[in-house]
Amino acid sequence: EAQVTQNPRYLITVTGKKLTVTCSQNMNHEYMSWYRQDPGLGLRQIYYSMNVEVTDKGDVPEGYKVSRKEKRNFPLILESPSPNQTSLYFCASSSQKTGGWGTQHFGDGTRLSIL
Amino acid sequence: GQQLNQSPQSMFIQEGEDVSMNCTSSSIFNTWLWYKQEPGEGPVLLIALYKAGELTSNGRLTAQFGITRKDSFLNISASIPSDVGIYFCAGTSGTYKYIFGTGTRLKVLA
Repeated sequence: EAQVTQNPRYLITVTGKKLTVTCSQNMNHEYMSWYRQDPGLGLRQIYYSMNVEVTDKGDVPEGYKVSRKEKRNFPLILESPSPNQTSLYFCASSSQKTGGWGTQHFGDGTRLSIL
Repeated sequence: GQQLNQSPQSMFIQEGEDVSMNCTSSSIFNTWLWYKQEPGEGPVLLIALYKAGELTSNGRLTAQFGITRKDSFLNISASIPSDVGIYFCAGTSGTYKYIFGTGTRLKVLA
């Protein structure tokens, strides 16, 4: 089954404790992206990756890091989380070959709470 | 960061009614997308639009790419209870950066 898998689904942690949210897709997609969703603000793009070792900033990259060492994985790293990073996070992937870049497949989300 | 203006913010409608929502941007886009999100899930793509003036349907859903390339519309005909959810527009100008609207929350009363 084609899917984007995020882990963990829920995490409560404390300010300053480094954390990583993993994202993996099994569709051989070139493009992957991270978003955060906050009430009243919709989804905002954090980082995206066009392919292995190619990443770029989205609209709200401050406080986040990403890496794309393998095509299927695109982890989101919070080196020193702060309470303003409490949010619902989504990973997405797409391919120009199968429906175009716009046909992003989203994971089910990771709800992070930073105390 | 840049945001799209999406309206209305929420709608309560009777089953069987038609629904219209729209998005406007200060920037020109070359792709407009419409997604639906249900509780506890990620957004799911409904319709993708790639050309100004394009009108595309997906079942009871119809979306249009505005001529100015700064707006898009989504219509749902004869709404049913399973249409409940949050509808998002999104646009890109081809730089692989996606801008999302703030969402329209739709509730359908049976």
